[in-house]
Amino acid sequence: QQQVKQSPQSLIVQKGGISIINCAYENTAFDYFPWYQQFPGKGPALLIAIRPDVSEKKEGRFTISFNKSAKQFSLHIMDSQPGDSATYFCAASKGSNYQLIWGAGTKLIIKP
Amino acid sequence: DAGVIQSPRHEVTEMGQEVTLRCKPISGHDYLFWYRQTMMRGLELLIYFNNNVPIDDSGMPEDRFSAKMPNASFSTLKIQPSEPRDSAVYFCASSFSGGRGGYTFGSGTRLTVV
Repeated sequence: QQQVKQSPQSLIVQKGGISIINCAYENTAFDYFPWYQQFPGKGPALLIAIRPDVSEKKEGRFTISFNKSAKQFSLHIMDSQPGDSATYFCAASKGSNYQLIWGAGTKLIIKP
Repeated sequence: DAGVIQSPRHEVTEMGQEVTLRCKPISGHDYLFWYRQTMMRGLELLIYFNNNVPIDDSGMPEDRFSAKMPNASFSTLKIQPSEPRDSAVYFCASSFSGGRGGYTFGSGTRLTVV
């Protein structure tokens, strides 16, 4: 019940296309859902986060869609660029416990 | 702020040797996390501290691993004795509980045990 399941494991998208990464969780106590972006040789960096009281959050080309009833959330990258090529992690946490539960990661490659 | 600072960036050591990884969190952050990342197991939480006190060390693989946070600006992760299966990238991250602004990770230490 503590798991966050992320798919796909890897994804290749043409430049200008839409990249979509999905995550699912079981624990309904989770109330914070961030996405992190990791470039080779660097630590993960917070990209965007959402709470379950909203269904969508957009920051530039990045959008989180959240479906509370289905216990799923997804990251959409619009107009994908080669510079977006990285590994993306979804995560979840609950209440005042700041320990994040991580997805397994998605390696995204944007082809020029 | 310079962000979370980890040292060394790379460490190559022989099996059986002691290894000490260091981390300086962002000033004002009250949580500090140590993670290990491998291709096989992904990101694994080893231990985390709140206000310099260890809260959960259930992810520490075995007694060979130990972590300390003597003050708010410094933490160490020690492996003694090291084994080849400890080879991984070790990340330190810090966060501020009041803001829920997410974790800030360091650039990691790539450890190779030969």
